[in-house]
Amino acid sequence: DSGVTQTPKHLITATGQRVTLRCSPRSGDLSVYWYQQSLDQGLQFLIQYYNGEERAKGNILERFSAQQFPDLHSELNLSSLELGDSALYFCASSHRQGSTDTQYFGPGTRLTVL
Amino acid sequence: AQSVTQLDSHVSVSEGTPVLLRCNYSSSYSPSLFWYVQHPNKGLQLLLKYTSAATLVKGINGFEAEFKKSETSFHLTKPSAHMSDAAEYFCVVSDLGGQNFVFGPGTRLSVLP
Repeated sequence: DSGVTQTPKHLITATGQRVTLRCSPRSGDLSVYWYQQSLDQGLQFLIQYYNGEERAKGNILERFSAQQFPDLHSELNLSSLELGDSALYFCASSHRQGSTDTQYFGPGTRLTVL
Repeated sequence: AQSVTQLDSHVSVSEGTPVLLRCNYSSSYSPSLFWYVQHPNKGLQLLLKYTSAATLVKGINGFEAEFKKSETSFHLTKPSAHMSDAAEYFCVVSDLGGQNFVFGPGTRLSVLP
């Protein structure tokens, strides 16, 4: 158990809908990262927050957005969902944001778009 | 820009034989390198990491990796495979303050009885 929690575990929805994925980092960790894992794209970095501020953006679509709240939990919002958004979404946390910092991963949220 | 190449998409070994999972990286700066393991339907677990200290890094479950700057490699090894080692393994490179955490495509390890 990494100490990172993600809810829900599974999510099934329809095209065009909007969903919110939630992540609680390990106690004391200030950085939160979001990743998407799909069969064709592999593991892709989406976005990083550090202590409430956006710090880095990866391959995140404009239909997707995220935020980190004062209590350091984070939410990833996915809107106008398409079939291709079906994937496993991971959240990870680290204490700081340095290159040597280990990222600890949550169990993931499996999103299925029908 | 960083990149990671995992030379084998699938490696199959017999239980009790050595494991070698290959990783080559490209980085403009002094990188940090990680190996993560993902068991089926599970999250990713850190096996080990290199952060410019000793070039031979020991991790959990008997795994180790050696950083070779001249070869830009960070291969993962284990002397004797167990059935429980069957999983997907990801090599990761990180630099520029950790804002770029780039995953390799993964290597699926199968362990045969």
